[in-house]
Amino acid sequence: DAKTTQPPSMDCAEGRAANLPCNHSTISGNEYVYWYRQIHSQGPQYIIHGLKNNETNEMASLIITEDRKSSTLILPHATLRDTAVYYCIVRGRANDYKLSFGAGTTVTVRA
Amino acid sequence: DTAVSQTPKYLVTQMGNDKSIKCEQNLGHDTMYWYKQDSKKFLKIMFSYNNKELIINETVPNRFSPKSPDKAHLNLHINSLELGDSAVYFCASSQGGLYTGELFFGEGSRLTVL
Repeated sequence: DAKTTQPPSMDCAEGRAANLPCNHSTISGNEYVYWYRQIHSQGPQYIIHGLKNNETNEMASLIITEDRKSSTLILPHATLRDTAVYYCIVRGRANDYKLSFGAGTTVTVRA
Repeated sequence: DTAVSQTPKYLVTQMGNDKSIKCEQNLGHDTMYWYKQDSKKFLKIMFSYNNKELIINETVPNRFSPKSPDKAHLNLHINSLELGDSAVYFCASSQGGLYTGELFFGEGSRLTVL
């Protein structure tokens, strides 16, 4: 399985952009990068995914480096409700397409 | 309308008992999953069904038995409950079998075994 490495925690200021890094240096060509988040006491929530191009949706932007060994999830204007654990997941044929969650990054948005 | 609903939300029971958690999705998805989140907060996949057929069966004790009566329902039955079974169990669904990674999760069922 392609593993991911994320910082255990980070703080960001309300209203500012939050940039969440993820390393996945062993990713293979047909594996996608997925981001989920889990707000306290709730089920995980899908945010975004990508293969090699940058992606944007109403929740966030995903920037994947050209060598695909790392990516950054950007929350453009963090709010207090964005406080959650954010999971970066590599998914593809190598792991039978399972969505396997690691420890994630605990993001705390402060007023 | 709740997309993926689980019942019960909380379950407290004694060791050795048998219990079930039910899951229903109204999204019209063809694939459903059970995940377990232990006290250390790690989420691990347990089972997945696609159109009522088991497609993922992780290394889970055979005391855990999933049942999918139709593609909108995936229930989890646990026999002879042990202390280590205490966790939050999440049901999820998706469309398109394992080829999509966009899962919709329920709110979880917190199981406490005493």
